[in-house]
Amino acid sequence: QSTLTQPPSASGTPGQRVTISCSGSSSNIGTNTVNWYQHVLGAAPRLLIYSNNQRPSGVPDRFSGSRSGTSASLAISGLQSEDEADYYCAAWDESLNGHCMFGGGTKVTVL
Amino acid sequence: EVQLLQSGGGLAQPGGSQRLSCAVSGFTFSTYGMSWVRQAPGKGLEWVSGISGSGGITYYADSVKGRFTISRDNSKNTLYLQINSLRGEDTAVYYCARSHTSSRSRFDYWGQGTLVTVSS
Repeated sequence: QSTLTQPPSASGTPGQRVTISCSGSSSNIGTNTVNWYQHVLGAAPRLLIYSNNQRPSGVPDRFSGSRSGTSASLAISGLQSEDEADYYCAAWDESLNGHCMFGGGTKVTVL
Repeated sequence: EVQLLQSGGGLAQPGGSQRLSCAVSGFTFSTYGMSWVRQAPGKGLEWVSGISGSGGITYYADSVKGRFTISRDNSKNTLYLQINSLRGEDTAVYYCARSHTSSRSRFDYWGQGTLVTVSS
């Protein structure tokens, strides 16, 4: 069981737009919806985007998600200093007996 | 208010066992699947195991299959993770998380995390 593929890092200055990719396969992203999590060290992960492109209540609208085929992406527009964190994509994988796959994580740095 | 309160964890010896607990409140526990997710030092999030609302269906990552057992007591609103044959690579912060009914990878509430350290 491997992970979904994400770039290890991304960065931008305040106000810029940052995009994070997440690549999978037909058994996970190609079949099931993608969810994104924000994780700050020392805190529990936070659901950021669900069902590919939906924001839970309380998540700012500068966060957006999309999915196409076996890939997904998270965009942060109007980058703010508090967005500095690790970001993970996740999707259920139907192979074997079924399991959840996380991406390897992308560290976003605000320059 | 939905709350997931974890207990257990701490220092354990290689080959030993640990049981983690996650007591929940604020929602009808038996109607939600639950999962355990861990983060080893310097590593990313790793899903470990999941269980259906009734407890009748369980899922495991290959890395823990045969050593970890997930279970739940719906009368006590509590989720468990029994970890046996502990290895150094099991050292991690373990989180319990609630799965939304629409998706088994949509974790909308998380516990505070508990550290398991495997060392002699």
